[in-house]
Amino acid sequence: DTEVTQTPKHLVMGMTNKKSLKCEQHMGHRAMYWYKQKAKKPPELMFVYSYEKLSINESVPSRFSPECPNSSLLNLHLHALQPEDSALYLCASSQHTVRETQYFGPGTRLLVL
Amino acid sequence: SQQGEEDPQALSIQEGENATMNCSYKTSINNLQWYRQNSGRGLVHLILIRSNEREKHSGRLRVTLDTSKKSSSLLITASRAADTASYFCATLSAGGTSYGKLTFGQGTILTVHP
Repeated sequence: DTEVTQTPKHLVMGMTNKKSLKCEQHMGHRAMYWYKQKAKKPPELMFVYSYEKLSINESVPSRFSPECPNSSLLNLHLHALQPEDSALYLCASSQHTVRETQYFGPGTRLLVL
Repeated sequence: SQQGEEDPQALSIQEGENATMNCSYKTSINNLQWYRQNSGRGLVHLILIRSNEREKHSGRLRVTLDTSKKSSSLLITASRAADTASYFCATLSAGGTSYGKLTFGQGTILTVHP
């Protein structure tokens, strides 16, 4: 299994809602990532988890809260988002360290109304 | 400053022609990677070249890296309509406060006409 899965594929939420994005991989990878991608722009790193510990937080607003409950799962909890947070949210994983190839999921397209 | 600037921003060619995309970066890198993305979907890893390597091949893909010029190129030979996508270079910083961060270039939109 060489796949990273993300759910849901699409999400529409209001600014007062609380929702979560989920990412799963069963490749035994120990590094997992969240990226944000706006239309016609490159992906931008948000968070890096290494061996289930948060190792990089790219000064992301606190309305985005990552969680890594185990080595296969990565969540991104969303609360009180703004319309400008609408984007494609991509999850990725790599085998051990950030120096290796990252495998991306298909993304969750988020619309904040 | 932007790490990983790509050139050209858009490239339109006929099937069978070769496509060359260039990437320049500013700081020392551990490796440089090329990814492909089809219309706002997930990214697909194409090739990784380490800072001590100069050239790598994978099927119809050829990547070169010139660390003295801080630049890389991706060549797709004998292009197909299915190669139509956005192509991103991404650099992994070698150290400092950016260690471990994969930074993507702005991307090149490739259109291959049948």
